Amino acid sequence: AQSVAQPEDQVNVAEGNPLTVKCTYSVSGNPYLFWYVQYPNRGLQFLLKYITGDNLVKGSYGFEAEFNKSQTSFHLKKPSALVSDSALYFCAVRENSGGGADGLTFGKGTHLIIQP
Amino acid sequence: DSGVTQTPKHLITATGQRVTLRCSPRSGDLSVYWYQQSLDQGLQFLIQYYNGEERAKGNILERFSAQQFPDLHSELNLSSLELGDSALYFCASSVNKGLTQYFGPGTRLTVL
Repeated sequence: AQSVAQPEDQVNVAEGNPLTVKCTYSVSGNPYLFWYVQYPNRGLQFLLKYITGDNLVKGSYGFEAEFNKSQTSFHLKKPSALVSDSALYFCAVRENSGGGADGLTFGKGTHLIIQP
Repeated sequence: DSGVTQTPKHLITATGQRVTLRCSPRSGDLSVYWYQQSLDQGLQFLIQYYNGEERAKGNILERFSAQQFPDLHSELNLSSLELGDSALYFCASSVNKGLTQYFGPGTRLTVL
């Protein structure tokens, strides 16, 4: 069974500082990894994904994530935080099994709070 | 706006009742997924349909069922509702067996 851990319920960062939201995963095969963001009373918005290739993935709104296979991690990063980045962030995983069944397994989410 | 639409936005009903949630995928997307978001369980995958056929099941209760119609819209049917079924229900869609799932705005179900 696959699983995702987001060890921090909340991350507080001052505006302009770099931010990191942590994610570790567990799958039996190769992973497909995703980050989504959820604003209050809204659906999930896709930020970025890792499929294969370059371990550093760039996504929307200046976010990037680094895939580390040995540490089974996929941390979300941004060089300079904005107040508007404050939201709930979800990491998700799907096994690259080729079987076509591809429901995502999500972490519990991390509240990111950017302080002015 | 992801292009995935869900109706209704809010639904309030009583225990024991049955409701139907509707989802229209993005134009051209053949796969539809249903997820439940609750405080207790977080975001959980319920079921996937691909081009009208059930593709995968997740943590879906037997009281819940879904279908995907020829025009590719999907409906999630929830019956014999319990208080614990109160949650946000999201639909997502993707191209073919494509990797990126795009989520709709969700339907907030409240069971009283």
